[in-house]
Amino acid sequence: EIVLTQSPGTLSLSAGERATLSCRASQSVSSTYLAWYQQKPGQAPKLLIYGASSRATGIPDRFSGSGSGTDFTLTISRLEPEDFAVYYCQQYDSSPQTFGQGTKLEIK
Amino acid sequence: QVQLVESGGGLVKPGGSLRLSCAASGFTFSDYYMSWVRQAPGKGLEWVSHISSSGKSISYADSVKGRFTISRDNSRKSLYLQMDSLRVEDTAVYYCAKRTALGTPYNDWGQGTLVTVSS
Repeated sequence: EIVLTQSPGTLSLSAGERATLSCRASQSVSSTYLAWYQQKPGQAPKLLIYGASSRATGIPDRFSGSGSGTDFTLTISRLEPEDFAVYYCQQYDSSPQTFGQGTKLEIK
Repeated sequence: QVQLVESGGGLVKPGGSLRLSCAASGFTFSDYYMSWVRQAPGKGLEWVSHISSSGKSISYADSVKGRFTISRDNSRKSLYLQMDSLRVEDTAVYYCAKRTALGTPYNDWGQGTLVTVSS
């Protein structure tokens, strides 16, 4: 099973700042099969990025994904108030698919 | 507009059973793989099971194998999860989620239904 480790666990930033979230895999993941989701309290996860770097429909271009192999990054260029949430990475390259433990992005 | 609506959650004692349902609308249900993903209170996401568009291919997480059964009825546009021999650690919000095929992400999720296993 591929273990995804996200860092940091909590990231405290202000609106307008840049956020960089990390997802490290215990073994290589094809970038085709790496996704990022956003989850707000009491809501279902929402797909942001798939294929490591492709934005899902309707996702603003301040969200970007990058990486390959075992290291992947989600970047939010300028934080908006609605971006404060928990973010999860997911690999669907090998079975079982797995999720990272999440990074909480909170307002500083 | 895609809608996935889960139901059937509730409070059950350890060792008990529960059947979750997910009603789909706004897309051609029979064209898509469907999955159940759960989230324990205050915890992260855990894939539980998936079923192919035809229902012929099924897979389970080791944590639920032998206790949970996924199924679908394409004529009713519905997904099901029969949960038997429930354990305290099965307590979670259960989401149904839609994907185009294996090797694709989940682009739509339901709002979830809470299952609480407690004596």
